[in-house]
Amino acid sequence: KAGVTQTPRYLIKTRGQQVTLSCSPISGHRSVSWYQQTPGQGLQFLFEYFSETQRNKGNFPGRFSGRQFSNSRSEMNVSTLELGDSALYLCASSSGLAGGGYNEQFFGPGTRLTVL
Amino acid sequence: AQSVSQHNHHVILSEAASLELGCNYSYGGTVNLFWYVQYPGQHLQLLLKYFSGDPLVKGIKGFEAEFIKSKFSFNLRKPSVQWSDTAEYFCAVNGGGSYIPTFGRGTSLIVHP
Repeated sequence: KAGVTQTPRYLIKTRGQQVTLSCSPISGHRSVSWYQQTPGQGLQFLFEYFSETQRNKGNFPGRFSGRQFSNSRSEMNVSTLELGDSALYLCASSSGLAGGGYNEQFFGPGTRLTVL
Repeated sequence: AQSVSQHNHHVILSEAASLELGCNYSYGGTVNLFWYVQYPGQHLQLLLKYFSGDPLVKGIKGFEAEFIKSKFSFNLRKPSVQWSDTAEYFCAVNGGGSYIPTFGRGTSLIVHP
């Protein structure tokens, strides 16, 4: 079974630009979550999509948005980039099935975003 | 809101030393607990998990963790570390019907050969 893939792996942007990151989950997984990883803050949850609907949202400004397509692939968009947005953006997929509160997440390799 | 504290941000050990990484969480209800590991240049991957039953959980590569409910802790242990254990370790917790785990800030482990 292929793992979670993310594209691109590296991005360099300048302040004020916008960026779109892509994530393809494991086949059959319907939940995709996005995290921002920085050395000082660790992993911070951005949002989760399940069956094309945003199901959970973290505490990030509206500049961070996402969507999910019918094939479960997800995109994350960051508009008006700031220097502080430089981070590793991780995508995780899971079955997303309800009940029990347990869904093992499988992580992708991440997209390293550098904002200059 | 849940929070997860990992007390050791950086740990440096020699091979064969014993390891214990602390993890405490704030949520008082039923929880699911995880340790993830991120080896240099690799994906974050699940090391072990607990959601019910025996509070002593065994994971991959000789790691284990003990859930102590009264202390809100889920510490990770390994009796004898190897150079290949050099990695970043993250504790994560979900509970209260939330599917989304809250992660700690991570502990960077360096093992000298």
